[in-house]
Amino acid sequence: DAGITQSPRYKITETGRQVTLMCHQTWSHSYMFWYRQDLGHGLRLIYYSAAADITDKGEVPDGYVVSRSKTENFPLTLESATRSQTSVYFCASSGQIWTEAFFGQGTRLTVV
Amino acid sequence: SQQGEEDPQALSIQEGENATMNCSYKTSINNLQWYRQNSGRGLVHLILIRSNEREKHSGRLRVTLDTSKKSSSLLITASRAADTASYFCAYNAGNMLTFGGGTRLMVKP
Repeated sequence: DAGITQSPRYKITETGRQVTLMCHQTWSHSYMFWYRQDLGHGLRLIYYSAAADITDKGEVPDGYVVSRSKTENFPLTLESATRSQTSVYFCASSGQIWTEAFFGQGTRLTVV
Repeated sequence: SQQGEEDPQALSIQEGENATMNCSYKTSINNLQWYRQNSGRGLVHLILIRSNEREKHSGRLRVTLDTSKKSSSLLITASRAADTASYFCAYNAGNMLTFGGGTRLMVKP
């Protein structure tokens, strides 16, 4: 399917476990972003990538790791999940710098 | 925090009325965008205004940008119940796309 897809849609994991959230886009967009959305904080940027093999920290990168070996994929890994990482995670992509971003449907992660 | 701020945080109006949401930001920007989010869904792009523009229209949407005050406003005219959603401003500073806290709009039929 064309577009941007996230998987899984819902995930429950235990504290201390590693978990990876997947993001895949079919447009060959250069830019990709990971956000977390929490009540009272809006969307906060975790990491972003301007191209394959180029990633940069956003506002709240601690506890997260990203990679981008292929243009279309941008996985987000929580190396040792904590309860404070319970959130809704959104992946987005954009074709060029300073253009509109397209969002996935989100992954609701609960860390127990 | 680098986030922008939106005002009001929540807004409730009757169908047919206009809704105005404001956004303030802290850095120099290249452009400012507005997005809509329906409950439980991803964000959808509404409109983009460049830093050298002052006003832009798209259907029932009107966006203004005042770079001297680092602020923007989104006006939705003749609102409909289907406009009920959260609205976010977002701005590009460098390669980052930073979002405001959002305004929850409820339009009552």
